Amino acid sequence: QKEVEQDPGPLSVPEGAIVSLNCTYSNSAFQYFMWYRQYSRKGPELLMYTYSSGNKEDGRFTAQVDKSSKYISLFIRDSQPSDSATYLCAMSKSGGSNYKLTFGKGTLLTVNP
Amino acid sequence: GAVVSQHPSRVICKSGTSVKIECRSLDFQATTMFWYRQFPKQSLMLMATSNEGSKATYEQGVEKDKFLINHASLTLSTLTVTSAHPEDSSFYICSASRAFEQYFGPGTRLTVT
Repeated sequence: QKEVEQDPGPLSVPEGAIVSLNCTYSNSAFQYFMWYRQYSRKGPELLMYTYSSGNKEDGRFTAQVDKSSKYISLFIRDSQPSDSATYLCAMSKSGGSNYKLTFGKGTLLTVNP
Repeated sequence: GAVVSQHPSRVICKSGTSVKIECRSLDFQATTMFWYRQFPKQSLMLMATSNEGSKATYEQGVEKDKFLINHASLTLSTLTVTSAHPEDSSFYICSASRAFEQYFGPGTRLTVT
Protein backbone atom coordinates (compact mmCIF):
# COMPACT_ATOMS: atom_id res chain seq x y z
CA GLN A 1 0.00 0.00 0.00
CA LYS A 2 1.39 3.39 -0.97
CA GLU A 3 1.75 5.97 1.77
CA VAL A 4 -0.39 8.49 -0.11
CA GLU A 5 -3.16 7.56 -2.52
CA GLN A 6 -4.75 10.02 -4.92
CA ASP A 7 -7.14 9.30 -7.77
CA PRO A 8 -5.35 10.48 -10.92
CA GLY A 9 -8.61 11.26 -12.72
CA PRO A 10 -8.91 12.83 -15.20
CA LEU A 11 -11.71 14.96 -13.81
CA SER A 12 -13.70 17.18 -16.16
CA VAL A 13 -16.26 19.72 -14.89
CA PRO A 14 -18.17 22.67 -16.34
CA GLU A 15 -17.21 26.19 -15.40
CA GLY A 16 -18.79 27.25 -12.10
CA ALA A 17 -18.93 23.73 -10.66
CA ILE A 18 -17.71 22.80 -7.21
CA VAL A 19 -14.70 20.51 -7.44
CA SER A 20 -13.74 18.01 -4.78
CA LEU A 21 -10.26 16.52 -4.78
CA ASN A 22 -9.18 13.92 -2.24
CA CYS A 23 -6.25 11.96 -0.88
CA THR A 24 -5.97 9.17 1.63
CA TYR A 25 -2.87 8.19 3.52
CA SER A 26 -1.72 5.32 5.64
CA ASN A 27 0.94 6.79 7.94
CA SER A 28 -0.52 8.40 11.04
CA ALA A 29 2.76 10.28 11.58
CA PHE A 30 1.86 12.83 8.91
CA GLN A 31 1.12 16.18 10.55
CA TYR A 32 1.37 18.80 7.81
CA PHE A 33 -0.80 18.66 4.72
CA MET A 34 -0.46 20.66 1.54
CA TRP A 35 -2.09 21.07 -1.81
CA TYR A 36 -0.08 22.07 -4.85
CA ARG A 37 -1.26 23.06 -8.33
CA GLN A 38 0.93 22.17 -11.29
CA TYR A 39 0.37 23.46 -14.78
CA SER A 40 1.75 21.44 -17.65
CA ARG A 41 5.56 21.52 -17.82
CA LYS A 42 5.82 23.85 -14.82
CA GLY A 43 6.86 23.43 -11.22
CA PRO A 44 4.20 22.91 -8.53
CA GLU A 45 2.71 25.99 -6.88
CA LEU A 46 1.73 25.88 -3.21
CA LEU A 47 -2.01 26.50 -2.83
CA MET A 48 -2.85 25.66 0.75
CA TYR A 49 -1.35 24.06 3.81
CA THR A 50 -2.89 22.88 7.04
CA TYR A 51 -1.53 21.51 10.24
CA SER A 52 -3.31 18.54 11.80
CA SER A 53 -7.10 18.19 11.54
CA GLY A 54 -9.50 20.95 10.59
CA ASN A 55 -10.55 23.26 7.79
CA LYS A 56 -8.84 26.17 6.13
CA GLU A 57 -10.35 28.54 3.61
CA ASP A 58 -8.63 30.85 1.15
CA GLY A 59 -10.85 32.54 -1.39
CA ARG A 60 -12.45 29.86 -3.57
CA PHE A 61 -10.34 27.10 -2.03
CA THR A 62 -11.08 25.12 1.13
CA ALA A 63 -8.77 22.45 2.52
CA GLN A 64 -10.04 19.84 4.98
CA VAL A 65 -8.07 17.34 7.02
CA ASP A 66 -9.62 14.43 8.89
CA LYS A 67 -6.80 12.67 10.69
CA SER A 68 -9.11 10.08 12.24
CA SER A 69 -10.00 8.86 8.76
CA LYS A 70 -6.58 9.68 7.25
CA TYR A 71 -8.37 11.66 4.56
CA ILE A 72 -7.73 15.12 3.15
CA SER A 73 -9.76 17.15 0.67
CA LEU A 74 -9.50 20.27 -1.42
CA PHE A 75 -12.69 21.99 -2.56
CA ILE A 76 -12.73 24.55 -5.34
CA ARG A 77 -15.84 26.72 -5.56
CA ASP A 78 -16.97 28.49 -8.73
CA SER A 79 -14.32 26.68 -10.75
CA GLN A 80 -12.75 28.56 -13.65
CA PRO A 81 -11.02 27.36 -16.84
CA SER A 82 -7.79 28.77 -15.36
CA ASP A 83 -8.11 26.17 -12.59
CA SER A 84 -7.39 23.47 -15.16
CA ALA A 85 -4.19 21.82 -13.92
CA THR A 86 -2.89 18.83 -12.01
CA TYR A 87 -3.52 19.03 -8.26
CA LEU A 88 -1.06 17.27 -6.00
CA CYS A 89 -1.59 16.54 -2.35
CA ALA A 90 1.52 16.38 -0.20
CA MET A 91 2.21 15.72 3.43
CA SER A 92 5.08 15.65 5.87
CA LYS A 93 5.78 14.15 9.27
CA SER A 94 7.37 17.18 10.81
CA GLY A 95 7.79 20.88 10.47
CA GLY A 96 10.94 22.93 10.23
CA SER A 97 12.97 23.55 7.15
CA ASN A 98 14.39 20.07 6.76
CA TYR A 99 11.17 18.13 6.32
CA LYS A 100 10.43 15.79 3.42
CA LEU A 101 7.23 15.86 1.46
CA THR A 102 5.43 12.74 0.30
CA PHE A 103 3.27 13.43 -2.73
CA GLY A 104 0.20 11.82 -4.19
CA LYS A 105 0.21 11.06 -7.90
CA GLY A 106 -1.88 14.10 -8.72
CA THR A 107 -5.37 14.58 -10.15
CA LEU A 108 -5.71 16.13 -13.59
CA LEU A 109 -8.58 18.63 -13.59
CA THR A 110 -10.15 20.24 -16.64
CA VAL A 111 -12.70 23.02 -16.23
CA ASN A 112 -14.67 23.51 -19.44
CA PRO A 113 -15.95 26.98 -20.35
CA GLY B 1 5.96 35.83 -2.57
CA ALA B 2 8.76 33.30 -2.58
CA VAL B 3 10.36 32.83 -5.97
CA VAL B 4 12.61 29.97 -7.00
CA SER B 5 14.31 29.91 -10.36
CA GLN B 6 15.98 27.11 -12.30
CA HIS B 7 18.42 27.28 -15.14
CA PRO B 8 18.38 26.03 -17.80
CA SER B 9 14.70 25.36 -18.45
CA ARG B 10 15.52 22.85 -21.18
CA VAL B 11 18.72 21.09 -22.09
CA ILE B 12 19.63 18.47 -24.66
CA CYS B 13 22.92 16.66 -24.27
CA LYS B 14 24.71 13.70 -25.74
CA SER B 15 25.09 10.42 -23.91
CA GLY B 16 28.21 10.39 -21.74
CA THR B 17 28.37 14.12 -21.11
CA SER B 18 27.59 15.95 -17.87
CA VAL B 19 24.91 18.56 -17.30
CA LYS B 20 24.61 21.09 -14.49
CA ILE B 21 21.27 22.49 -13.34
CA GLU B 22 21.09 25.54 -11.06
CA CYS B 23 18.40 26.27 -8.50
CA ARG B 24 18.17 29.72 -6.90
CA SER B 25 15.90 31.20 -4.26
CA LEU B 26 15.53 34.77 -5.46
CA ASP B 27 13.93 36.62 -2.56
CA PHE B 28 14.65 34.52 0.50
CA GLN B 29 17.42 32.46 2.03
CA ALA B 30 16.93 28.71 2.05
CA THR B 31 18.98 26.54 4.37
CA THR B 32 17.42 23.48 2.77
CA MET B 33 16.75 22.74 -0.87
CA PHE B 34 15.32 19.59 -2.38
CA TRP B 35 15.76 17.95 -5.76
CA TYR B 36 12.96 15.98 -7.38
CA ARG B 37 12.49 14.02 -10.55
CA GLN B 38 9.18 13.72 -12.35
CA PHE B 39 8.28 11.30 -15.14
CA PRO B 40 5.35 12.01 -17.47
CA LYS B 41 2.00 11.73 -15.67
CA GLN B 42 3.78 10.69 -12.50
CA SER B 43 4.21 12.42 -9.20
CA LEU B 44 7.37 14.00 -7.90
CA MET B 45 10.02 11.65 -6.64
CA LEU B 46 12.42 13.06 -4.08
CA MET B 47 16.04 12.47 -5.07
CA ALA B 48 17.97 14.29 -2.36
CA THR B 49 17.88 16.87 0.39
CA SER B 50 20.54 19.55 0.25
CA ASN B 51 21.62 21.64 3.23
CA GLU B 52 23.80 24.69 2.85
CA GLY B 53 27.43 23.93 3.61
CA SER B 54 27.03 20.19 4.11
CA LYS B 55 26.74 17.04 2.06
CA ALA B 56 23.44 16.19 0.48
CA THR B 57 21.30 13.35 1.78
CA TYR B 58 20.21 11.03 -1.00
CA GLU B 59 17.08 8.92 -1.10
CA GLN B 60 17.39 5.18 -1.37
CA GLY B 61 18.15 4.08 -4.91
CA VAL B 62 19.57 7.42 -6.05
CA GLU B 63 23.22 7.19 -7.11
CA LYS B 64 25.14 9.93 -5.32
CA ASP B 65 28.09 9.64 -7.72
CA LYS B 66 25.83 10.15 -10.68
CA PHE B 67 23.72 13.00 -9.32
CA LEU B 68 26.15 15.42 -7.67
CA ILE B 69 24.56 18.08 -5.51
CA ASN B 70 26.27 21.19 -4.22
CA HIS B 71 24.63 23.74 -1.94
CA ALA B 72 27.30 26.42 -1.78
CA SER B 73 25.20 29.30 -0.46
CA LEU B 74 21.82 30.02 1.10
CA THR B 75 20.39 30.91 -2.30
CA LEU B 76 22.02 28.44 -4.69
CA SER B 77 22.04 24.68 -5.11
CA THR B 78 23.28 22.81 -8.17
CA LEU B 79 22.56 19.35 -9.50
CA THR B 80 25.07 17.82 -11.89
CA VAL B 81 24.06 14.76 -13.85
CA THR B 82 27.34 13.03 -14.66
CA SER B 83 27.88 10.72 -17.62
CA ALA B 84 24.27 11.14 -18.62
CA HIS B 85 22.41 8.32 -20.38
CA PRO B 86 19.05 8.33 -22.17
CA GLU B 87 17.35 6.85 -19.11
CA ASP B 88 18.30 10.01 -17.20
CA SER B 89 15.99 12.00 -19.48
CA SER B 90 13.35 13.49 -17.21
CA PHE B 91 11.90 16.64 -15.68
CA TYR B 92 14.05 17.77 -12.75
CA ILE B 93 12.52 20.16 -10.22
CA CYS B 94 14.09 21.82 -7.21
CA SER B 95 12.40 23.34 -4.21
CA ALA B 96 13.58 25.65 -1.45
CA SER B 97 12.11 25.62 2.00
CA ARG B 98 11.09 28.61 4.09
CA ALA B 99 9.75 27.63 7.51
CA PHE B 100 7.60 24.60 6.72
CA GLU B 101 6.62 25.66 3.21
CA GLN B 102 8.37 24.42 0.10
CA TYR B 103 8.51 26.59 -2.98
CA PHE B 104 9.26 24.96 -6.29
CA GLY B 105 11.23 26.06 -9.28
CA PRO B 106 9.79 25.87 -12.80
CA GLY B 107 11.71 22.69 -13.61
CA THR B 108 14.37 21.64 -16.11
CA ARG B 109 13.57 19.30 -18.98
CA LEU B 110 16.63 17.13 -19.64
CA THR B 111 16.85 15.10 -22.83
CA VAL B 112 19.83 12.80 -23.34
CA THR B 113 20.36 11.64 -26.90
